[in-house]
Amino acid sequence: AQSVAQPEDQVNVAEGNPLTVKCTYSVSGNPYLFWYVQYPNRGLQFLLKYITGDNLVKGSYGFEAEFNKSQTSFHLKKPSALVSDSALYFCAVRDLGGGSYIPTFGRGTSLIVHP
Amino acid sequence: DAGVIQSPRHEVTEMGQEVTLRCKPISGHNSLFWYRQTMMRGLELLIYFNNNVPIDDSGMPEDRFSAKMPNASFSTLKIQPSEPRDSAVYFCASSLTGGEAFFGQGTRLTVV
Repeated sequence: AQSVAQPEDQVNVAEGNPLTVKCTYSVSGNPYLFWYVQYPNRGLQFLLKYITGDNLVKGSYGFEAEFNKSQTSFHLKKPSALVSDSALYFCAVRDLGGGSYIPTFGRGTSLIVHP
Repeated sequence: DAGVIQSPRHEVTEMGQEVTLRCKPISGHNSLFWYRQTMMRGLELLIYFNNNVPIDDSGMPEDRFSAKMPNASFSTLKIQPSEPRDSAVYFCASSLTGGEAFFGQGTRLTVV
């Protein structure tokens, strides 16, 4: 079985400050992890993914995510937040050893960047 | 590529009417997903196709919902009869098998 948790419904950060959106996962095998962003009245947009290799993954719009196997986490980060980063962020996971090609999505975290 | 294309973008219908949502996946993608998004339930997977074959439809709410994928470039999600509780945003997404999914803009369905 595979699952993902986003422990925070909302994250507030001031513009220019670093931001972190948290994600933890559970899989039987090795994880295939994703982050997506959803702006109002839009579909989800793919930001970045981790399959293997370097634990720090860089993605679109200056975002990056750090894979931590011991903590089963895949937190999304950005060094300096912009007001335009305000959106809903989704973490997703797929178990590479699970036999299913269907990812499981978290419930989403609303990021609000204050000017 | 224009990305995943969904139509219509908005649909308002009366309870009991049939509703058909349409999706054109990204060319070359062989996996297609239909999702439903509401404030209360978040993002729910309705059905997953691979190579035009329905693989997992366990998320389809009930017999009122049906989905087809007659070819690699087209899929439909039909609700008959529609009910107010079906009001939601419906997303179609496509991917290469096992890869990251690319989502359409969604169809906002309102059943009155």
